[in-house]
Amino acid sequence: AQSVTQLDSQVPVFEEAPVELRCNYSSSVSVYLFWYVQYPNQGLQLLLKYLSGSTLVKGINGFEAEFNKSQTSFHLRKPSVHISDTAEYFCAVSDGAGGTSYGKLTFGQGTILTVHP
Amino acid sequence: DGGITQSPKYLFRKEGQNVTLSCEQNLNHDAMYWYRQDPGQGLRLIYYSQIVNDFQKGDIAEGYSVSREKKESFPLTVTSAQKNPTAFYLCASSIPARDLSPNYGYTFGSGTRLTVV
Repeated sequence: AQSVTQLDSQVPVFEEAPVELRCNYSSSVSVYLFWYVQYPNQGLQLLLKYLSGSTLVKGINGFEAEFNKSQTSFHLRKPSVHISDTAEYFCAVSDGAGGTSYGKLTFGQGTILTVHP
Repeated sequence: DGGITQSPKYLFRKEGQNVTLSCEQNLNHDAMYWYRQDPGQGLRLIYYSQIVNDFQKGDIAEGYSVSREKKESFPLTVTSAQKNPTAFYLCASSIPARDLSPNYGYTFGSGTRLTVV
């Protein structure tokens, strides 16, 4: 079984400030990791993913995340946020890294990022 | 452009009525998924299908049914047995993780908001 914990349900920040959204996971197998963004009444859009290779992953809209296997974390960061980054962000883990399955995606509870002017 | 189409965007259900949510993809993905989203609870897996004419229950399958007669289509029926159906429903698709492709990841539709009236 696998699980994902997003440590903050809401994160308010001012425009142009840095932000970190925290994500920890637990799994008994090797995992793939994802961050998705959701704007109101829309589907989920992929921000970035870690499948293999460099543990620092860069995504769209200036976001990046670092996979820390020893701490089982995959925190999302952006050095300077914009009003348009206001949205809900989901961390997810897939058990498909072992190469033998289709891969089941498990999501965290979500973090609402609100950027204030 | 390839993608996932969910319809309708908004749906209203009367007590005791079955309703069907449509999900169509033209990405040639083998696997398709249905998630339910409630505020503060993240996404919960209802059903998934890895191949045509086969599907499995997810974590919250009670009161729901699906079919997978074509690779492109994975409709979800919310039956009268589902006591609290008001939610946002998301459909997704993916290639198998075991393909070890850099393209692995879930693609989501734009969602259907179901309300009981």
